[in-house]
Amino acid sequence: NAGVMQNPRHLVRRRGQEARLRCSPMKGHSHVYWYRQLPEEGLKFMVYLQKENIIDESGMPKERFSAEFPKEGPSILRIQQVVRGDSAAYFCASSPASGIYNEQFFGPGTRLTVL
Amino acid sequence: AQTVTQSQPEMSVQEAETVTLSCTYDTSESDYYLFWYKQPPSRQMILVIRQEAYKQQNATENRFSVNFQKAAKSFSLKISDSQLGDAAMYFCAYRIFQGAQKLVFGQGTRLTINP
Repeated sequence: NAGVMQNPRHLVRRRGQEARLRCSPMKGHSHVYWYRQLPEEGLKFMVYLQKENIIDESGMPKERFSAEFPKEGPSILRIQQVVRGDSAAYFCASSPASGIYNEQFFGPGTRLTVL
Repeated sequence: AQTVTQSQPEMSVQEAETVTLSCTYDTSESDYYLFWYKQPPSRQMILVIRQEAYKQQNATENRFSVNFQKAAKSFSLKISDSQLGDAAMYFCAYRIFQGAQKLVFGQGTRLTINP
């Protein structure tokens, strides 16, 4: 059973460009979470999605950032008009379902560098 | 809002010795989960151990154990017989029992193992 897949692993963008980060959850997982890790900091929650629905986007910046998890295909985190402050590692995690307990399994992360 | 605090940015220990990493948290919830994650240089997030707040017994996983003090809102990680492979960033994390699934992370403690 393959783990959580993220691609690309490294992404370089110039200021003003768009960044698209992809996350394929583990087989059977229908819940996806995105976290951002700035240099020398802990992970910060951004958004929680279920198939075709955004459940909690309380950590998502109000502008330039969006996320989706379509019925078919990976979850996408999209950053428009990137700025240097967007440089960070972006982690995706997936879980099987909400309930009493479910572990979030993390992908390897995408390291975004904005020049 | 829930917060997690790790007051030790860096710790070091001699190989084969024991080290304890500290974590405190703030919440008004009575039921929740607490976790310790390890992040080696590869940046992969690895779950080390979890604790359910309703359980009085401290969790143990091989050389890793926790000291969970609910009243004090303290959740420390003890690593016994430290090994070179234990060198990593360690993050304490919190999640409420039900509902929103997001993890709240501390700032991390960098653990160095001295041979």
